[in-house]
Amino acid sequence: DGGITQSPKYLFRKEGQNVTLSCEQNLNHDAMYWYRQDPGQGLRLIYYSQIVNDFQKGDIAEGYSVSREKKESFPLTVTSAQKNPTAFYLCASSILLSTGELFFGEGSRLTVL
Amino acid sequence: GENVEQHPSTLSVQEGDSAVIKCTYSDSASNYFPWYKQELGKRPQLIIDIRSNVGEKKDQRIAVTLNKTAKHFSLHITETQPEDSAVYFCAALPGSQGGSEKLVFGKGTKLTVNP
Repeated sequence: DGGITQSPKYLFRKEGQNVTLSCEQNLNHDAMYWYRQDPGQGLRLIYYSQIVNDFQKGDIAEGYSVSREKKESFPLTVTSAQKNPTAFYLCASSILLSTGELFFGEGSRLTVL
Repeated sequence: GENVEQHPSTLSVQEGDSAVIKCTYSDSASNYFPWYKQELGKRPQLIIDIRSNVGEKKDQRIAVTLNKTAKHFSLHITETQPEDSAVYFCAALPGSQGGSEKLVFGKGTKLTVNP
């Protein structure tokens, strides 16, 4: 069954701690994306990767880091430098967007205590 | 860079009425305009899209129109049903990103269909 899997679904973190959100896809998509969703703010792009071992900053990359060592995996680390990390995080993947759609994972809700 | 404005931010209609959500974009080179629906607690899913060489596209009760001259596109839902209640996002794919592909999303419209 093909798709995108994000884990964990819910995560609690103390201030000052780094946390890593997992994103795995078995759709054989080249491109992967991380979005942050806050109420009334829409979907804001954090990082994206169009090929293994390469990634680019999105609009709100400060305080986040990513890696793309494998085609199927694109983990996101929320570092202690991110000033307001409590949010809903969505991972997505696609073939060329000019020819195909963006597929989203179920999301991970991060709460900083 | 591309900027997508979406209106209204909330929309409430009676079951059976039509609903219209409008988006404007700034980059005249944008060439792909999808609409995503996100039900409460679920992932966004593509419901319809349109490319810049087409003015209108329909899929059952859903239609999207594109006006390239005015740089705006709209989602039309007819005969609304309670299951249409969700947040709807429009997006645009800029044509001038130097090979990078990243959608720019509007801020979303929360549609409520009252029985």
